[in-house]
Amino acid sequence: EAQVTQNPRYLITVTGKKLTVTCSQNMNHEYMSWYRQDPGLGLRQIYYSMNVEVTDKGDVPEGYKVSRKEKRNFPLILESPSPNQTSLYFCASSSRGEKGTQYFGPGTRLLVL
Amino acid sequence: DAKTTQPPSMDCAEGRAANLPCNHSTISGNEYVYWYRQIHSQGPQYIIHGLKNNETNEMASLIITEDRKSSTLILPHATLRDTAVYYCIVRLQSNFGNEKLTFGTGTRLTIIP
Repeated sequence: EAQVTQNPRYLITVTGKKLTVTCSQNMNHEYMSWYRQDPGLGLRQIYYSMNVEVTDKGDVPEGYKVSRKEKRNFPLILESPSPNQTSLYFCASSSRGEKGTQYFGPGTRLLVL
Repeated sequence: DAKTTQPPSMDCAEGRAANLPCNHSTISGNEYVYWYRQIHSQGPQYIIHGLKNNETNEMASLIITEDRKSSTLILPHATLRDTAVYYCIVRLQSNFGNEKLTFGTGTRLTIIP
């Protein structure tokens, strides 16, 4: 089954404790992206990747890092999480020629205390 | 990307057709109309897209007016599981750059038993 998976689905952590949210897709998609969703602010893009080893900032990249060492994986790294990073996070992927059609993961709900 | 206007909320009786309108009067000739939905904090789900012709797939039908300034998403036999926020997005199919999806506020569709 074609899908985007994220882990963990739920995470409670404390300020400053490094964490990684994994994202994996099995559709051989070149493009991958991370969004965060907050009440009243909608979905905002954090980082995106056009292909392996090609990443760039989205609208709200501060406090986040990403890497794209393999085509299928696009982890989101929070080196020193802060409470304002408490949010619902989604990973998405699409093929190069049809990036209007994106497939989203199930989401990761993060609470930073 | 062209701006879209959708009603904030709609109700539909279970088993009836749900017709969700979207206005996009500033759409340009090579921009597509995409529809996504988000079921209660799940990842957004791609539904359908089209350029000028009406489109149908297993989930829905998309009717685009001849002048392309508006469109309607039709869920032919709505079920309770169709309760969600529906987003109409107008954009290029792919511009070979960052493919950020810009979600507006959408229409909250509630299916009434």
